[in-house]
Amino acid sequence: GQQVMQIPQYQHVQEGEDFTTYCNSSTTLSNIQWYKQRPGGHPVFLIQLVKSGEVKKQKRLTFQFGEAKKNSSLHITATQTTDVGTYFCSYGGSQGNLIFGKGTKLSVKP
Amino acid sequence: DAGITQSPRHKVTETGTPVTLRCHQTENHRYMYWYRQDPGHGLRLIHYSYGVKDTDKGEVSDGYSVSRSKTEDFLLTLESATSSQTSVYFCAISARGQGSYEQYFGPGTRLTVT
Repeated sequence: GQQVMQIPQYQHVQEGEDFTTYCNSSTTLSNIQWYKQRPGGHPVFLIQLVKSGEVKKQKRLTFQFGEAKKNSSLHITATQTTDVGTYFCSYGGSQGNLIFGKGTKLSVKP
Repeated sequence: DAGITQSPRHKVTETGTPVTLRCHQTENHRYMYWYRQDPGHGLRLIHYSYGVKDTDKGEVSDGYSVSRSKTEDFLLTLESATSSQTSVYFCAISARGQGSYEQYFGPGTRLTVT
């Protein structure tokens, strides 16, 4: 079935630096979601994108869905220690389930 | 978090024993899911339910069974636990509607099979 690849797998940044994670698919996606999972926690829904070229912002987080709907990105401006965690992209499968990427683990050095 | 609880939160069991994990929701959502999370594999769907007594297999269903006799409860059973089933198990509900795939996850159950 369809897979989504996330890069990078790990990212270490200094507090205040920007961070970007990418989600790529070989096929067109009808939708994409982003989740954040804090260490020891559970995935928490951040946002869903459905339109080609869509850009959504949540404070310091910017989410983008590519024009061809085959890739997406999450950009964090001026990272803070509260941003630590693993960020997952996912898309809705035919069963109503979610197919997840393997995530990008972000660590932030104060 | 959408009124989802999981029990137990932690369990250690021996190989070959049966184990049942429970997911309970309070908001009457139709869709419920069981995922397992393992390092290097992300989240993988085990089974899901689209209503009372309506369930189907996911990507990694071998060795697992599920039951849903009430809207609010979705049970995951490991008939004979194996060490490969050591994992963190998450239940999720879907707030599906009008094309939304937004899911809300329970706190997880950490299962260790020795």
